[in-house]
Amino acid sequence: DGGITQSPKYLFRKEGQNVTLSCEQNLNHDAMYWYRQDPGQGLRLIYYSQIVNDFQKGDIAEGYSVSREKKESFPLTVTSAQKNPTAFYLCASKDRVAYGYTFGSGTRLTVV
Amino acid sequence: AQTVTQSQPEMSVQEAETVTLSCTYDTSESNYYLFWYKQPPSRQMILVIRQEAYKQQNATENRFSVNFQKAAKSFSLKISDSQLGDTAMYFCAFMTDTGRRALTFGSGTRLQVQP
Repeated sequence: DGGITQSPKYLFRKEGQNVTLSCEQNLNHDAMYWYRQDPGQGLRLIYYSQIVNDFQKGDIAEGYSVSREKKESFPLTVTSAQKNPTAFYLCASKDRVAYGYTFGSGTRLTVV
Repeated sequence: AQTVTQSQPEMSVQEAETVTLSCTYDTSESNYYLFWYKQPPSRQMILVIRQEAYKQQNATENRFSVNFQKAAKSFSLKISDSQLGDTAMYFCAFMTDTGRRALTFGSGTRLQVQP
């Protein structure tokens, strides 16, 4: 079955450490997105990519980086510059249909 | 920039009753899409219903229906015959058909269905 796989499900980061969240899709979708969810808030856009080898900053990109070397993969790196990285991170992909969004199951990142 | 506002942080409804969740949005775009997503405790995002702004007819999906008031920029969700499985966070979301085509979300409404 086609879908989006996010890994790991839970991730713990020490202060000052960079960590990478994985997002892989086998839906042949061109566009991919990373969202952050904090308690009591909706999802906020971190980065997005509409084609391979191209990506754009979203609304809260500071302290994060991404790459899009393959259509299937859109990893997110949370750098040490991100001051408050503890959150739930969701990856999504979208086909050419306006409402064709598919979400992954998320990664819960905690700073220890 | 687009904004989405959900003014009800929490709501409660008795099983089999009807509940309406509110959502307002702000945009200068003429062509856009509106969505309601459900997020149960598993945190998986599940599409409940969608509405194209150019369609005047309100969308309906089984027990879920919307009241789309374009002039008022209002997009409420009505859940009929509420079931225990409807207990979840509900997010209203907005997307334009141009530019980044990313979803803009409201802050959510936590719905509790009581037995």
